[in-house]
Amino acid sequence: DARVTQTPRHKVTEMGQEVTMRCQPILGHNTVFWYRQTMMQGLELLAYFRNRAPLDDSGMPKDRFSAEMPDATLATLKIQPSEPRDSAVYFCASGLRLGFEAFFGQGTRLTVV
Amino acid sequence: KQEVTQIPAALSVPEGENLVLNCSFTDSAIYNLQWFRQDPGKGLTSLLLIQSSQREQTSGRLNASLDKSSGRSTLYIAASQPGDSATYLCAARLSEGAGGTSYGKLTFGQGTILTVHP
Repeated sequence: DARVTQTPRHKVTEMGQEVTMRCQPILGHNTVFWYRQTMMQGLELLAYFRNRAPLDDSGMPKDRFSAEMPDATLATLKIQPSEPRDSAVYFCASGLRLGFEAFFGQGTRLTVV
Repeated sequence: KQEVTQIPAALSVPEGENLVLNCSFTDSAIYNLQWFRQDPGKGLTSLLLIQSSQREQTSGRLNASLDKSSGRSTLYIAASQPGDSATYLCAARLSEGAGGTSYGKLTFGQGTILTVHP
């Protein structure tokens, strides 16, 4: 069945290293979202795309985070350099159209030590 | 800025009870509202999507209602089962732009942790 696929599922890295998280949206969905979940802040929107174009990335720390969609089947979220405070679960979600139901991936659990 | 609040933060009930989870939002100009379920260590599973023009949506034992004017939504779970144990999240999608369209971003509540014990 159609689902959003995220890789890796778990990532442990040392502070200062680059981290790349990948997301394969559901085929045919033209909107992609990146969310971050922490115990303290809950779920926060980092960035989202429509038809591969970034619409809003105001939720991301610009100096270290970047999000791209190289093609319609791949979205990436990069952190460089990573810091311990980036430890969280990062979710990707996709939707058929803006405002329509969002479907979430299983998430990437990032631990920065 | 839209803020979403869920009460209670945690709920523990015996199997078979009917229960209500509450969600409130500060900006009534919502496009729609979505209820999710999250199991420990897992992603979010969409349960119900209720459009701003709707009053309620039903799926099996679940019923979600929406009252835009009062900024409230409730999720009703009938005849609860241990398998319903999870965190339940509501998320509001704002109506933005010309014609009340939505850019799609969701604002989440902190969730209600539900435990249904046998």
